[in-house]
Amino acid sequence: AQTVTQSQPEMSVQEAETVTLSCTYDTSESDYYLFWYKQPPSRQMILVIRQEAYKQQNATENRFSVNFQKAAKSFSLKISDSQLGDAAMYFCAYKSDRDDKIIFGKGTRLHILP
Amino acid sequence: GAGVSQSPRYKVAKRGQDVALRCDPISGHVSLFWYQQALGQGPEFLTYFQNEAQLDKSGLPSDRFFAERPEGSVSTLKIQRTQQEDSAVYLCASSLAAYSYEQYFGPGTRLTVT
Repeated sequence: AQTVTQSQPEMSVQEAETVTLSCTYDTSESDYYLFWYKQPPSRQMILVIRQEAYKQQNATENRFSVNFQKAAKSFSLKISDSQLGDAAMYFCAYKSDRDDKIIFGKGTRLHILP
Repeated sequence: GAGVSQSPRYKVAKRGQDVALRCDPISGHVSLFWYQQALGQGPEFLTYFQNEAQLDKSGLPSDRFFAERPEGSVSTLKIQRTQQEDSAVYLCASSLAAYSYEQYFGPGTRLTVT
C-alpha cells in the first residue's frame, strides 16, 4: 500500500524568508503524481503544485517549487519570499496513475512570522 | 463558474442520530470523491463515483456509512446512528474525467457528534 509521510507537524518562517517542507512516500508503482495542497482555516483544499513522476524536471509555480527525488522517494516543497497569506496546513499527497483516490500525509502547519 | 459546494457547513448531531451531507460538484464533472478528515489529520478516502456508479467504497469505515449519486451530479453521504468517532470534516471533491490528476475540493462539512 502507498503511504505518505510528513515528519514536520509544524514549522515557522520569517516573512520574506524561504522555507522547505519535507515529504517522503512509499510506492511500488512507477507512474504516479505527487501534489502539495494548502488548507487555510476556511478548510478549502487548494492545489499548490503538481509533479508527474515520469518528469525529471522539478515543478515550479511562481514562489513555490519542489525537489523531487524519485529514487529516494522524497518530495519537498520550497516556498520563497514567504508571505503572511502562506500561513496554512500543507499536505503532501500521492495519486497512482491507475487509481483515482488521493492519499494524503498528515500535514505540516506553517506559521509566518511578521 | 461555481466551485464544489457542500451543505451544511456545520452539523451537530446527537449520538445515534442519522445525518445526510450534500455535495454539489462542478457542473459536468464526471468523478466525485468523499474524504473524511479527522482533527489534526490529513483527509482519508471514503468513496468514489464515476457518474452515478459507485466504483470504490473501500474507505467507508462501517456499514453505517452510505453514499449515493443517483443522477450523476449531486451526491449525498449518509451516516446512520452516528457515533462520537464519526466527528470529522467531510470533504467532497470532483474531477472532470476519470483518472484526472486534478481534484477540486469543496469547503467541507464539519460534523460534531455529541
